[in-house]
Amino acid sequence: EVQLVESGGGLVQPGGSLRLSCAASGFTFTTYAMSWVRQAPGKGLEWVSTISGSGGNTYYADSVKGRFTISRDSSKNTLYLQMNSLRAENTAVYYCAKHSSGAPSPPDYWGQGTLVTVSS
Amino acid sequence: QSVLTQPPSASGTPGQRVTISCSGSSSNIGSNYVYWYQHFPGTAPKLLIHRNNQRPSGVPDRFSGSKSGTSASLAISGLRSEDEADYYCAAWDDSLSGWVFGGGTKLTVL
Repeated sequence: EVQLVESGGGLVQPGGSLRLSCAASGFTFTTYAMSWVRQAPGKGLEWVSTISGSGGNTYYADSVKGRFTISRDSSKNTLYLQMNSLRAENTAVYYCAKHSSGAPSPPDYWGQGTLVTVSS
Repeated sequence: QSVLTQPPSASGTPGQRVTISCSGSSSNIGSNYVYWYQHFPGTAPKLLIHRNNQRPSGVPDRFSGSKSGTSASLAISGLRSEDEADYYCAAWDDSLSGWVFGGGTKLTVL
């Protein structure tokens, strides 16, 4: 059974940093692309970033490019999102998602999400 | 503003058929598959339709998808109270090299 468990969310001040983690199990981690997708309060789903199965290719939404870094550790079956220079508009529930294959394939399994609140 | 355009709300009575539209452009829906997700607030989104009109295992055949040009739609027949959720369309965008989502449609079962 595919399981994705996010952690690392919390309250952070504007300009601060936070690292999210997503522990994956139930599938061969290195075979599939992984993504972070967020949902701000009262808003819809917004794609944030995707990383290929090997970790060699990364993709970012323009809104986070240069501030967020996606990475993965195959020895720990864990996906990460390093978030720097956080802004109030980055407040959202962040979901980790597994793709059905490479990056252009759809996210087919999602975690329950972790809440990030950016506020002073 | 979302790259894909969906109506913010839809509604129907039990047993009815409802459709939710999703409009995009040549760089996303026009050249790639469309996917639909069902999302109950506070839970993990669920893939409902893949490759425009395919249902993953376990998804009832009451749910169906279609695509034409740069638009797509999700149809739900035999509406049930448990279908009350948010529905999102999504597609890969070749110009952005990333995923784009619709703004979501809140379905209310009256």
